[in-house]
Amino acid sequence: AQKITQTQPGMFVQEKEAVTLDCTYDTSDPSYGLFWYKQPSSGEMIFLIYQGSYDQQNATEGRYSLNFQKARKSANLVISASQLGDSAMYFCAMKAGANNLFFGTGTRLTVIP
Amino acid sequence: KAGVTQTPRYLIKTRGQQVTLSCSPISGHRSVSWYQQTPGQGLQFLFEYFSETQRNKGNFPGRFSGRQFSNSRSEMNVSTLELGDSALYLCASSLDVLRGGGNNEKLFFGSGTQLSVL
Repeated sequence: AQKITQTQPGMFVQEKEAVTLDCTYDTSDPSYGLFWYKQPSSGEMIFLIYQGSYDQQNATEGRYSLNFQKARKSANLVISASQLGDSAMYFCAMKAGANNLFFGTGTRLTVIP
Repeated sequence: KAGVTQTPRYLIKTRGQQVTLSCSPISGHRSVSWYQQTPGQGLQFLFEYFSETQRNKGNFPGRFSGRQFSNSRSEMNVSTLELGDSALYLCASSLDVLRGGGNNEKLFFGSGTQLSVL
């Protein structure tokens, strides 16, 4: 069975600072994908970044980077130079096998001016 | 390129009624999946459709059903509504260029339909 764990219900970060959102996962499938999504108050889930289980390098998309530690089964999201518009819920999710996502419980990030 | 479009945005129903939600995927996307989001249960997978066929199903009662049309648009139906069905229902689409859905297939979500059951 697949499982995603996000242990930080809420996080605060000062504007322009970096922040790390934690995510650990569990699956017996050797082939899987890890995703991070952002959900602002409008409700839409916005895709941020993807990491495949066989990818050798950590994924990077602009100010987002994924700190992938396979042995520890962790896939933390790092947001650099935080902006006020980054305030939102952030979800870690995993796909293994079937084309559906298993989501964590999310972390609410608040950027302080 | 237009994103995933869900209608209606908000819906209020009473217990026992039924409801139909609509989802138009991104042009060219062939896979459509549905998720339910509640404060208590979080995000849960409902079902996925590809080429008008349900390919994958989550653990929801038979009151929840869906279908996909030849143009990839999808609808989901909930019959005999219960108070616990109040949720944000999110639709996602993906290209699915790999047969069976690859693990790197990115899902793109709509803004959701907020359903309130009174």
